[in-house]
Amino acid sequence: SAVISQKPSRDICQRGTSLTIQCQVDSQVTMMFWYRQQPGQSLTLIATANQGSEATYESGFVIDKFPISRPNLTFSTLTVSNMSPEDSSIYLCSATPGQTYEQYFGPGTRLTVT
Amino acid sequence: AQSVTQLGSHVSVSEGALVLLRCNYSSSVPPYLFWYVQYPNQGLQLLLKYTTGATLVKGINGFEAEFKKSETSFHLTKPSAHMSDAAEYFCAVRATSYGKLTFGQGTILTVHP
Repeated sequence: SAVISQKPSRDICQRGTSLTIQCQVDSQVTMMFWYRQQPGQSLTLIATANQGSEATYESGFVIDKFPISRPNLTFSTLTVSNMSPEDSSIYLCSATPGQTYEQYFGPGTRLTVT
Repeated sequence: AQSVTQLGSHVSVSEGALVLLRCNYSSSVPPYLFWYVQYPNQGLQLLLKYTTGATLVKGINGFEAEFKKSETSFHLTKPSAHMSDAAEYFCAVRATSYGKLTFGQGTILTVHP
């Protein structure tokens, strides 16, 4: 298994500002994933982050809005830029460590934009 | 491309009754299938997974699921519901060993005393 932590756990932000979310995994992983869960909805993949390369974004998500860093094999950040109330969501980090094919999730960051 | 359909956004059962949460998938390749549970204000916890081999997989908290290729289904069951099972359950599919997950819309399970 893996333990994934995220910071902050929640935040309330003003429209037009940016927030950087940190994700730490307790073991080295090749791929890390960032998902968004809008209120009352399922999870949608924002991007896949590989260490040493540019993140791969899903349709509807762009780097200018959601820049991602992946400086090493245990850490990643997601920035939500120029926020609007529509960005109010839970943002979850995920990774698949080891050889088990199991994908684990962090506790999420609950973002409210006012 | 993969997709997942969870039949029933809300399921309500009595404590002690059978739990059945339905999941059908679409995949162009043999899928990896997962069930996750999300308790209020918490992250996702992996209940069980199917990769290869035995089609009946057992997970945590007494849950199990059966992979039926002919029906493209991966329904989640538990013989006897407990109040603590009340949560939202997500079925997910992945086409490769370590790739991205595609989630269903989720099913909220309510357990009545």
